[in-house]
Amino acid sequence: DAGVTQSPTHLIKTRGQHVTLRCSPISGHKSVSWYQQVLGQGPQFIFQYYEKEERGRGNFPDRFSARQFPNYSSELNVNALLLGDSALYLCASSLAPLQNYGYTFGSGTRLTVV
Amino acid sequence: DAKTTQPPSMDCAEGRAANLPCNHSTISGNEYVYWYRQIHSQGPQYIIHGLKNNETNEMASLIITEDRKSSTLILPHATLRDTAVYYCIVRVVSGGSNYKLTFGKGTLLTVNP
Repeated sequence: DAGVTQSPTHLIKTRGQHVTLRCSPISGHKSVSWYQQVLGQGPQFIFQYYEKEERGRGNFPDRFSARQFPNYSSELNVNALLLGDSALYLCASSLAPLQNYGYTFGSGTRLTVV
Repeated sequence: DAKTTQPPSMDCAEGRAANLPCNHSTISGNEYVYWYRQIHSQGPQYIIHGLKNNETNEMASLIITEDRKSSTLILPHATLRDTAVYYCIVRVVSGGSNYKLTFGKGTLLTVNP
């Protein structure tokens, strides 16, 4: 079985640009979460989606948005990129948001803003 | 979710048991203790979780004190591949805002040959 797939693996963008990151969850998983991990810190929660609806949002500005598609894949969009948005962006999938076991994370997208 | 405290780093000899402590003195009765690890340049990996009883799986054992204010993750025979940052997380599982994991800085475990 394929795990959580994220694309692209690496990305370099210029300040002010827009970026779209993509995530395909494990087959059968209906919930996708997004996390941002800056160097030296633990991952920070951005969004969770379940059945195409937003179920939770972390403390991130409105420049960050996301959506989930009918096939349960997801996109994270970041507008007006800042240098501080440089980070590893992680996607995690689960059967549902209330499940009593762990999420499965992808390997992430490394975003560098210059 | 309750806050956790972990040592920033630990060393362990290959083949020996690695015991990683976590303090969660403000834990509530409906909060579980979860452990994840993150090997360099990879996403976090789920290890184990528990409520109040000790738990064991193929990866590790989790020992939770009787008052639930602290716990220890035990890797019984550490290998070089266990070198990673280990995160202890406390979260409510049923009801409430249980949809997110709140990561701290974790403990960098270095397994030495």
